[in-house]
Amino acid sequence: QQQVKQSPQSLIVQKGGISIINCAYENTAFDYFPWYQQFPGKGPALLIAIRPDVSEKKEGRFTISFNKSAKQFSLHIMDSQPGDSATYFCAAKIASYGKLTFGQGTILTVHP
Amino acid sequence: GAGVSQSPSNKVTEKGKDVELRCDPISGHTALYWYRQRLGQGLEFLIYFQGNSAPDKSGLPSDRFSAERTGESVSTLTIQRTQQEDSAVYLCASSLARGGTDTQYFGPGTRLTVL
Repeated sequence: QQQVKQSPQSLIVQKGGISIINCAYENTAFDYFPWYQQFPGKGPALLIAIRPDVSEKKEGRFTISFNKSAKQFSLHIMDSQPGDSATYFCAAKIASYGKLTFGQGTILTVHP
Repeated sequence: GAGVSQSPSNKVTEKGKDVELRCDPISGHTALYWYRQRLGQGLEFLIYFQGNSAPDKSGLPSDRFSAERTGESVSTLTIQRTQQEDSAVYLCASSLARGGTDTQYFGPGTRLTVL
């Protein structure tokens, strides 16, 4: 059962543009939603995370928007840079449990 | 300080052989997780340890897969009688504790290829 659906699978953006990646979840018990960034040959690294008691969280050029009623959340990367080219994964967790449930990933390419 | 380390980085094996993958978590992290990443897919949870006990083994795909952890240190994931569908990157992560929003820090993974 795929509990977190992520789109698009791949995304190409010009330098300076906005990258938007969307995720939808099914399990209403999820209460922690992190985004991970993965470069080739490396493990994923936490980028930014949100709890469902807020609708938006911003850290630098990265913003998570959260819509609890629609069970959707998205990552916005402002002023995208070639160094942002990586695979991005959304994830969800029940905070009192251990495991993360991941989306399928989005390969982002930012052209100079 | 040092991050999560995994060994080997690459493992090529023949179908039917057993393999052992190792994870060294960040010192002081009580929680340890194993995930599997198939080509072009997201990460699949396999098992998690709190100390040396495994309260959640729900992601282990078959009884060919097992894992153990020594205290709050090294963990090994063992796959017996490997099959071609076991080919994937196996990722280990650790966190300070299980609950809440403690960040899971990932190692670089072991790429397993079963011929």
